[in-house]
Amino acid sequence: GNSVTQMEGPVTLSEEAFLTINCTYTATGYPSLFWYVQYPGEGLQLLLKATKADDKGSNKGFEATYRKETTSFHLEKGSVQVSDSAVYFCAIEDFGNEKLTFGTGTRLTIIP
Amino acid sequence: GAGVSQSPSNKVTEKGKDVELRCDPISGHTALYWYRQSLGQGLEFLIYFQGNSAPDKSGLPSDRFSAERTGGSVSTLTIQRTQQEDSAVYLCASKAFQETQYFGPGTRLLVL
Repeated sequence: GNSVTQMEGPVTLSEEAFLTINCTYTATGYPSLFWYVQYPGEGLQLLLKATKADDKGSNKGFEATYRKETTSFHLEKGSVQVSDSAVYFCAIEDFGNEKLTFGTGTRLTIIP
Repeated sequence: GAGVSQSPSNKVTEKGKDVELRCDPISGHTALYWYRQSLGQGLEFLIYFQGNSAPDKSGLPSDRFSAERTGGSVSTLTIQRTQQEDSAVYLCASKAFQETQYFGPGTRLLVL
């Protein structure tokens, strides 16, 4: 079945630092890829997605590119803010029933 | 419009008791998913509904877990004879055809 390997946390960065959270996957076919974010005390929210190879998903200054050749979907942001402190989950969607398989999550803390 | 809602938001129960968790999906969303988020297991898929039928129950951890969906809308996840390892946050998500999943706020279950 599908699986997602996500960069272990926690990650602590200073404000305005560059962020990368690595995510690689194994899957059959050509799944859609997602990053979800969970802010403190809130539910899971979709951050961005990409549905085919070389697509770039972007939102709130975050970006991730669907790399089929390396089976990766790394999350990046050029200048993080304190408000970006949250847990980030990489996920892959099954073809057919479209259930999501999640990575373990990466807790990000940004310090002023 | 209204998002996915779940009730109760918190549930404390004694070991051996039965619990029912409710999910109200976004109106018109035909697909509904239950996931569980726990410290030891991360985010894991439980069951998927398309309309009122459940073509994929592969994530239900034991026969103490069951779920139903009626009228293509509300879903109930039932856990019988709860155990301490059932303590987790139970998340519901719904989606329209070829769209992304939207998550509810979750029900935090604590089994004493």
